[in-house]
Amino acid sequence: GENVEQHPSTLSVQEGDSAVIKCTYSDSASNYFPWYKQELGKGPQLIIDIRSNVGEKKDQRIAVTLNKTAKHFSLHITETQPEDSAVYFCAARSNAGKSTFGDGTTLTVKP
Amino acid sequence: DAGITQSPRHKVTETGTPVTLRCHQTENHRYMYWYRQDPGHGLRLIHYSYGVKDTDKGEVSDGYSVSRSKTEDFLLTLESATSSQTSVYFCAIRGGETGGSYNSPLHFGNGTRLTVT
Repeated sequence: GENVEQHPSTLSVQEGDSAVIKCTYSDSASNYFPWYKQELGKGPQLIIDIRSNVGEKKDQRIAVTLNKTAKHFSLHITETQPEDSAVYFCAARSNAGKSTFGDGTTLTVKP
Repeated sequence: DAGITQSPRHKVTETGTPVTLRCHQTENHRYMYWYRQDPGHGLRLIHYSYGVKDTDKGEVSDGYSVSRSKTEDFLLTLESATSSQTSVYFCAIRGGETGGSYNSPLHFGNGTRLTVT
């Protein structure tokens, strides 16, 4: 089955700096890669996703890059703000429809 | 927010007792999932459903069963709760494929915190 590894497990940055979270996956059939943000006491919420036919996608301060050859994808957050503090999860899914999640990254943005 | 309601939000139960968690959606989505979240393990799939009365196992299904008798409700049952099932349980839904694409995101409920003593 699919295996997704996510690094780092914790990340602390100063407000205004950039944050990068990286994930690798094992199943070459995976073709959809979402990123979720989870705030305390709530369920994860989609923040951005990328399909396998695209190498990069950007939405304001958030961007995701995908390298299918190397089987890794990354989340980039620029100009971080305290409200970006949360747990972030990457996931990979193939056409079989089941998502496999990374173990999560706890991001702390210090004001 | 997607219309997903999980109940109860918190539950404390004793080892050996049966427990049922409920997930209710108002989106008429085809796919429903149960995940558990534990520190250091991210989200792990327990069971999922691809239609009424159509369910399948995930990676950590032992000790759990599910039922889906209506599109809107997906129940997760712990037949005899154990301390290892202490966790936060999340329900998620997903719309069907569009244009042949499987690439639609999951929408999660706010979770049920279950403690087995």
